[in-house]
Amino acid sequence: AQSVTQPDIHITVSEGASLELRCNYSYGATPYLFWYVQSPGQGLQLLLKYFSGDTLVQGIKGFEAEFKRSQSSFNLRKPSVHWSDAAEYFCAVAPHGSSNTGKLIFGQGTTLQVKP
Amino acid sequence: ETGVTQSPTHLIKTRGQQVTLRCSSQSGHNTVSWYQQALGQGPQFIFQYYREEENGRGNFPPRFSGLQFPNYSSELNVNALELDDSALYLCASSLASIHEQFFGPGTRLTVL
Repeated sequence: AQSVTQPDIHITVSEGASLELRCNYSYGATPYLFWYVQSPGQGLQLLLKYFSGDTLVQGIKGFEAEFKRSQSSFNLRKPSVHWSDAAEYFCAVAPHGSSNTGKLIFGQGTTLQVKP
Repeated sequence: ETGVTQSPTHLIKTRGQQVTLRCSSQSGHNTVSWYQQALGQGPQFIFQYYREEENGRGNFPPRFSGLQFPNYSSELNVNALELDDSALYLCASSLASIHEQFFGPGTRLTVL
């Protein structure tokens, strides 16, 4: 079955430090890959996506992610974290095929806490 | 450009009741997907509507049903509410040919 694993439930980093959030997926073929961020009481905002091509993807708010096919991973990174980055982060996959448009499968999420 | 909107923001119901949640898709988007997000969990796909037809369904019972209207807005209906239905319900809109989805702020449903 298709699944997404975010191994880290909770991560705390100091402001200005670098960040890496892990994501592994289980799927027969390379799916479409996404990272979303959710602030308390808010909906989900798309940070970045990978469909094909360059495996290093740039997103909004200074985030980037690298797709590694051999490891079935799509880890999210940021070189310097800001206090406003504290939120819940979700990795998601969508199977290929027009009939599967929009059927996102989400991981359980990683809560990011930023220390001053 | 108006984003995805959902109503109501919060809702409290009792077990056994029925509820209707509403979603207005982003301008130009013809596809609406609904997700259930339990506390501390990632969103779970409920179903998707495209051109007023259900276009795929997740692992949810038939008491979860939906509609999409000609203007692409959508409703999620849940009958015979159970305590476990308490969650944040998220609506997302997209263009059928594009996988990028735009989420609304959600409706927080509490079942007592």
